Amino acid sequence: GQQVMQIPQYQHVQEGEDFTTYCNSSTTLSNIQWYKQRPGGHPVFLIQLVKSGEVKKQKRLTFQFGEAKKNSSLHITATQTTDVGTYFCAGSTSGTYKYIFGTGTRLKVLA
Amino acid sequence: DGGITQSPKYLFRKEGQNVTLSCEQNLNHDAMYWYRQDPGQGLRLIYYSQIVNDFQKGDIAEGYSVSREKKESFPLTVTSAQKNPTAFYLCASSITGASGANVLTFGAGSRLTVL
Repeated sequence: GQQVMQIPQYQHVQEGEDFTTYCNSSTTLSNIQWYKQRPGGHPVFLIQLVKSGEVKKQKRLTFQFGEAKKNSSLHITATQTTDVGTYFCAGSTSGTYKYIFGTGTRLKVLA
Repeated sequence: DGGITQSPKYLFRKEGQNVTLSCEQNLNHDAMYWYRQDPGQGLRLIYYSQIVNDFQKGDIAEGYSVSREKKESFPLTVTSAQKNPTAFYLCASSITGASGANVLTFGAGSRLTVL
């Protein structure tokens, strides 16, 4: 079945450093979404990417969707303590409402 | 305010007992989902429903059951057949976006502990 892996599993950074998490799917995706879950909270939608090679930015966050639509990345520039949480990618294949979540990357930011 | 309500927030049950988790949404979303989250792990899909009176198994449906009699409601029953039921359960709903992609809105979750 479809699998979505993320690396790294954990990342500790000093405040101000950059951070990147990578997402890889075993199958070609029709679209990919990114979510953030704060400690003790629930996942909150950040962004979705649909087109091959698409790049989107939200302030310090940059999201990319691979040319083959099987991988994606999230890059945070100059992390802040408010960036703490677990970041998940979620992929869907064409014609389905089924979203498979990645394993997540837990980010800790040291002040 | 529109949103998804899950109840109870915390639930304790003895081994061998069935328990039902409630999920209600007033977002007028067509699709609803149940995910399970274990400590330090990602979300695994249990069941999902695209329309009323229809639902499909996810990756870990064994030991769980659902119903979708109303658009607003998608309760999950954790049966005694589920061998490791202690987990954080998340309900979500979605509507098809203009691009055809669905954005998931999550409830606050229900934490089930089996004693």
